[in-house]
Amino acid sequence: QSALTQPPSASGSPGQSVTISCTGTSSDVGGYNYVSWYQQHPGKAPKLMIYEVSKRPSGVPDRFSGSKSGNTASLTVSGLQAEDEADYYCSSYAGSNSVFGTGTKVTVL
Amino acid sequence: QVQLVQSGAEVKKPGSSVKVSCKASGGTFSSYAISWVRQAPGQGLEWMGRIIPILGIANYAQKFQGRVTITADKSTSTAYMELSSLRSEDTAVYYCARGLAAAAAFDYWGQGTLVTVSS
Repeated sequence: QSALTQPPSASGSPGQSVTISCTGTSSDVGGYNYVSWYQQHPGKAPKLMIYEVSKRPSGVPDRFSGSKSGNTASLTVSGLQAEDEADYYCSSYAGSNSVFGTGTKVTVL
Repeated sequence: QVQLVQSGAEVKKPGSSVKVSCKASGGTFSSYAISWVRQAPGQGLEWMGRIIPILGIANYAQKFQGRVTITADKSTSTAYMELSSLRSEDTAVYYCARGLAAAAAFDYWGQGTLVTVSS
């Protein structure tokens, strides 16, 4: 199972939006509506931000949204804030396994 | 409130094995899935495998097949991950994470356990 492909980096100014892509195959992203996104600050455990493609857990700001088209999922962070600067990882169910994306470092300029 | 508390840091020799524990509190341990995810220094997240305690069945990433064993003790609400034939590339922070089902997202994470493999 190969890692899902994400851009290494993305950036935006405060208040702007940034969108991160996550490309897999029909065996993972394209085959299931079980794509999730995680935010990780340095030295911390990952935090769930989006599950089942577009659902937000309680407590996650509605500035975070998710979508999927075919084999590619996306995370959009609107109204960027300084605290959004972090690494972001997508993940997908892939049958009996799960797989993570390569990770994207988001920088708030 | 669900909490996953992992065992402490380990230093191991190449060729040896390590066993990391993950004790859960809150929720119904047996009915959800516990996955193990590792992160090498400066690298991304890597899913290793999962177990659903009520079924006692574990699934492993192909990369780790034959080298990793994930078990669960329902009586103590503790999951374990044992990795054998350690090499320097296994140096990483190992996390346990809960999913409400096999396909579900990982909604709670342990604090991570650093395993260092060094001669």
